[in-house]
Amino acid sequence: EDQVTQSPEALRLQEGESSSLNCSYTVSGLRGLFWYRQDPGKGPEFLFTLYSAGEEKEKERLKATLTKKESFLHITAPKPEDSATYLCAVQGRTSYDKVIFGPGTSLSVIP
Amino acid sequence: DSGVTQTPKHLITATGQRVTLRCSPRSGDLSVYWYQQSLDQGLQFLIHYYNGEERAKGNILERFSAQQFPDLHSELNLSSLELGDSALYFCASSVGRQTSYEQYFGPGTRLTVT
Repeated sequence: EDQVTQSPEALRLQEGESSSLNCSYTVSGLRGLFWYRQDPGKGPEFLFTLYSAGEEKEKERLKATLTKKESFLHITAPKPEDSATYLCAVQGRTSYDKVIFGPGTSLSVIP
Repeated sequence: DSGVTQTPKHLITATGQRVTLRCSPRSGDLSVYWYQQSLDQGLQFLIHYYNGEERAKGNILERFSAQQFPDLHSELNLSSLELGDSALYFCASSVGRQTSYEQYFGPGTRLTVT
C-alpha cells in the first residue's frame, strides 16, 4: 500500500533561519510527487511536481528535491509569510488514479 | 485565487440530514477531485471524475455519492449525516485525466453536523 510520512510534524524557525522538511514515501512505481502549501482554513496551493530521482525545482525561497525514497523541501532565509502547513503527496503506478497525501509539516517563521 | 469555486462556504446541519456540495472547476479543466480534511485524518481522497466519468474512488463512504455534469461542474452528496462527517470538503481540478497533473484546489466547504 502506498504511504507518505512527513517530518517534523511542526517546525518553528526564526526569520532567516534556513531548514528542510522531509517527505518519505513508499509507492509502487512513482508517477509523481507533489508539494503543496496550505494556509489555515484554505485549500492547498500547488507548489511543485517532481517525477524522477535527482530532479530539483525552485520557486523563490523554496527548493524541492527528490530521491528514490524521499523528497526534501528546502526553505532558504524564510520570512513570516512562509508560515503554513506544507503537504507532500504521491501518485504511484498502482494507485489507480489516487493521490495519497502526507499529514503535513506545520511551519512557523518568527520575526 | 485558483479559479476553482465551491459553494456553500459553510454548512451547518443536523445528524441524519442530506446535503449537496457544489464545485466548478477551472476553465478548461476536465478532471474534478473531491477530498475530505478533518483534524485527525488529514487530507483524504474521496473520488475523481474525468469529463463526466468516474475514474477512481478512495475512502468514500456508501452514504456519499458524487457526479460530474456535462458542463463539468460536480456535486458531492452526503446523506444520513453523522457527527463524524464534520470536516472541510475540498474540490480540486486539473487539466488532464492522469492524477500526475497538478491539482488546483477550491476554498472548501466547511460542514458542521450537530
